[in-house]
Amino acid sequence: GQQVMQIPQYQHVQEGEDFTTYCNSSTTLSNIQWYKQRPGGHPVFLIQLVKSGEVKKQKRLTFQFGEAKKNSSLHITATQTTDVGTYFCAGRSNDYKLSFGAGTTVTVRA
Amino acid sequence: DAMVIQNPRYQVTQFGKPVTLSCSQTLNHNVMYWYQQKSSQAPKLLFHYYDKDFNNEADTPDNFQSRRPNTSFCFLDIRSPGLGDAAMYLCATSRSMQEKLFFGSGTQLSVL
Repeated sequence: GQQVMQIPQYQHVQEGEDFTTYCNSSTTLSNIQWYKQRPGGHPVFLIQLVKSGEVKKQKRLTFQFGEAKKNSSLHITATQTTDVGTYFCAGRSNDYKLSFGAGTTVTVRA
Repeated sequence: DAMVIQNPRYQVTQFGKPVTLSCSQTLNHNVMYWYQQKSSQAPKLLFHYYDKDFNNEADTPDNFQSRRPNTSFCFLDIRSPGLGDAAMYLCATSRSMQEKLFFGSGTQLSVL
């Protein structure tokens, strides 16, 4: 079955630095979604990527979908304390099944 | 205004005692999902409803059942909770199978 791998599992970042989290699927995806879950909270939708090679930006967050539609990345610039949380990618296969990656938990050193 | 509402926020049950978790939505979405999330893990899909059509994941234990009496409400029944069923249970909705999910705040289930 479809598997979505996400690395790194943990990311400790100095405030102001950049970091990237990566997501890889064993199969081609129809789309990929990204969610953020704050500590003690529930996942909140950030963005959906559909097209091969697509790049979308939300302020300091840049999302990419690979050309082969099997991988994706989230890059955050100038990390702030408000970026703390776990970022999940979720890949949608052609049978509409949505598989979540294990998440990258981000902590920020002030 | 809350769009996906889960009650209660915390639920404590005894080993083997049936428990029901509830979810309601004001979005009029066609699809409702139940996810199980254990500490530091990804949400794991248990089942989903597309309208009245029930879709069970192959690895969801028989101990877990669900009901969707109408568009707005969906229930998760755990017939005989075990210690391993202690987790956060998240309800989510989406307008279609291709669109984004809206999650409720979850019910944290403890099994004593």
